[in-house]
Amino acid sequence: AQSVTQLDSHVSVSEGTPVLLRCNYSSSYSPSLFWYVQHPNKGLQLLLKYTSAATLVKGINGFEAEFKKSETSFHLTKPSAHMSDAAEYFCVVSDLWGAGNNRKLIWGLGTSLAVNP
Amino acid sequence: ETGVTQTPRHLVMGMTNKKSLKCEQHLGHNAMYWYKQSAKKPLELMFVYNFKEQTENNSVPSRFSPECPNSSHLFLHLHTLQPEDSALYLCASSQVGGTGVGNEQFFGPGTRLTVL
Repeated sequence: AQSVTQLDSHVSVSEGTPVLLRCNYSSSYSPSLFWYVQHPNKGLQLLLKYTSAATLVKGINGFEAEFKKSETSFHLTKPSAHMSDAAEYFCVVSDLWGAGNNRKLIWGLGTSLAVNP
Repeated sequence: ETGVTQTPRHLVMGMTNKKSLKCEQHLGHNAMYWYKQSAKKPLELMFVYNFKEQTENNSVPSRFSPECPNSSHLFLHLHTLQPEDSALYLCASSQVGGTGVGNEQFFGPGTRLTVL
């Protein structure tokens, strides 16, 4: 069975410093992996996705994630945090279900990112 | 309107009320989803509609009743809810089938439901 573990429930950084949000997954297949962000009182927005192409994936708002199969990790990074980055971040792995290539999303518990001035 | 929209954004209801949540997607997708988001819990998938047919029901109590009249609209009918049903209810859509690449889901802003 596929699963995803976000190693930190809460991360706090200072504005202008790097961000690292950690995610490990388990998968029996060649997975697709995603990071979503949720700002307060907003829905979920896709930050970036990995789908077996380049292992370093660039997303919106300066975020990146690197797929490391040997470590079963998909950590999210950003070189310099901005106040507007404060939000909840979810790591997601997709699982094949049903017929054909349909996929179900398996969600992590989320990491709350605080950015201090 | 673009993306996925949900109405109402906030809803307060008593345990004996009947209400409905509405979701509409403007992305031309063929699958729609209902999720429940509660504090300190993983996002819970409730229902999946694929080409208007319900393909998944994750042991959701019968007091939640989904309806998908076409591939762009999704409803969640609520009746005799319990206080523990208070949560953020999120609707999503995606394009399934074909190459299956990605299959990322696009989310609406959610309905914040409070059951008194």
